[in-house]
Amino acid sequence: ETGVTQTPRHLVMGMTNKKSLKCEQHLGHNAMYWYKQSAKKPLELMFVYNFKEQTENNSVPSRFSPECPNSSHLFLHLHTLQPEDSALYLCASSQGAELLNTEAFFGQGTRLTVV
Amino acid sequence: AQKITQTQPGMFVQEKEAVTLDCTYDTSDQSYGLFWYKQPSSGEMIFLIYQGSYDEQNATEGRYSLNFQKARKSANLVISASQLGDSAMYFCAMRVTYGLTGGGNKLTFGTGTQLKVEL
Repeated sequence: ETGVTQTPRHLVMGMTNKKSLKCEQHLGHNAMYWYKQSAKKPLELMFVYNFKEQTENNSVPSRFSPECPNSSHLFLHLHTLQPEDSALYLCASSQGAELLNTEAFFGQGTRLTVV
Repeated sequence: AQKITQTQPGMFVQEKEAVTLDCTYDTSDQSYGLFWYKQPSSGEMIFLIYQGSYDEQNATEGRYSLNFQKARKSANLVISASQLGDSAMYFCAMRVTYGLTGGGNKLTFGTGTQLKVEL
């Protein structure tokens, strides 16, 4: 148990559906991240929030919409996804996105399948 | 831009033996941090060990040690006395500060090495 909880663990959705992924951390961290992990590819950083402000959007398509209402919660809203968006979506948190030596703590991920 | 290269897609090691997982990195920043993570089949990424670019000694954490060779830009992970529970994907990652290259706060990952420990 790392202190970062993601729900749901598994999600199957159609291309016309709207769904949301939730991430919660109670580690007192100020930075939260969304990563996408596809088979045989490096983890891709999608979004970074530092003190609830988005500091990084790594050219992510607009069908992915993040929301960070407070430092403990991070959402990823999904709509009109494509089959190639099927992947493991990992949430992480750290003490501060600007700090060099702080490790990121990861959740167990949401395995998303778009049909 | 920052890049992490892990050239071993898969490795096998016998139980109780030591194994080295390779990692090379590329950055023009002088200040950076190197991390190793373990990802078991359950999916979560587990932090193992950290090495700062200015650290003079190699990091060690229990059975994990990091063989840091700055001039060669390599940060290999050494696992001593392998156990069956060490079977997992292992990722090398690098973080840079807000530097002149605009690396920002990204934690950049390699493609990983699948380690299997055998009896």
